[in-house]
Amino acid sequence: TQLLEQSPQFLSIQEGENLTVYCNSSSVFSSLQWYRQEPGEGPVLLVTVVTGGEVKKLKRLTFQFGDARKDSSLHITAAQPGDTGLYLCAGPLDSGTYKYIFGTGTRLKVLA
Amino acid sequence: EAQVTQNPRYLITVTGKKLTVTCSQNMNHEYMSWYRQDPGLGLRQIYYSMNVEVTDKGDVPEGYKVSRKEKRNFPLILESPSPNQTSLYFCASSFIGTGPYNEQFFGPGTRLTVL
Repeated sequence: TQLLEQSPQFLSIQEGENLTVYCNSSSVFSSLQWYRQEPGEGPVLLVTVVTGGEVKKLKRLTFQFGDARKDSSLHITAAQPGDTGLYLCAGPLDSGTYKYIFGTGTRLKVLA
Repeated sequence: EAQVTQNPRYLITVTGKKLTVTCSQNMNHEYMSWYRQDPGLGLRQIYYSMNVEVTDKGDVPEGYKVSRKEKRNFPLILESPSPNQTSLYFCASSFIGTGPYNEQFFGPGTRLTVL
């Protein structure tokens, strides 16, 4: 059973467009992380959100944690080819545990 | 340079032939973990370790063994590999802070094919 569902699975857009990626669960998470993975490499952490309703910004990337801590979103403004990659959300399965689950991933391609 | 290293990066083997994938980190991290990545399934945790001699099962531990005899090393052992273990494997490590949301640093991955 996949506890973290991401949508869309694939996204191909033109440079300069905006996009939003969603990470949804029926379970409550104490925190959620977003990672980006490029071909041939391991995932790299972008952000961690901890508080329900929290919004964090990282340059053109905006991350939001749902009020009920069951979902999160990643919004990219004016996407650039360098944003191309696989975006993964992840979180601890139970509060206080180090057992992690990852979402199914969103593969983004930004065309110049 | 702070990093997680894995060896080998690529491995083709046959069913039943025992193999070990090594993982080493030079950041003095307490926490280490193994994941496998398969298309459409994301990353799934195999085993993790909170410290030396402390290991626990993740989501998909069947068919795998691990050991943590030294803080820096966390090898993944496949005693009798089968074709359904063909996958891309990642090792990760992190500090253990005040909550289970510390940054995990990932190795470059090991692509394993079991024929």
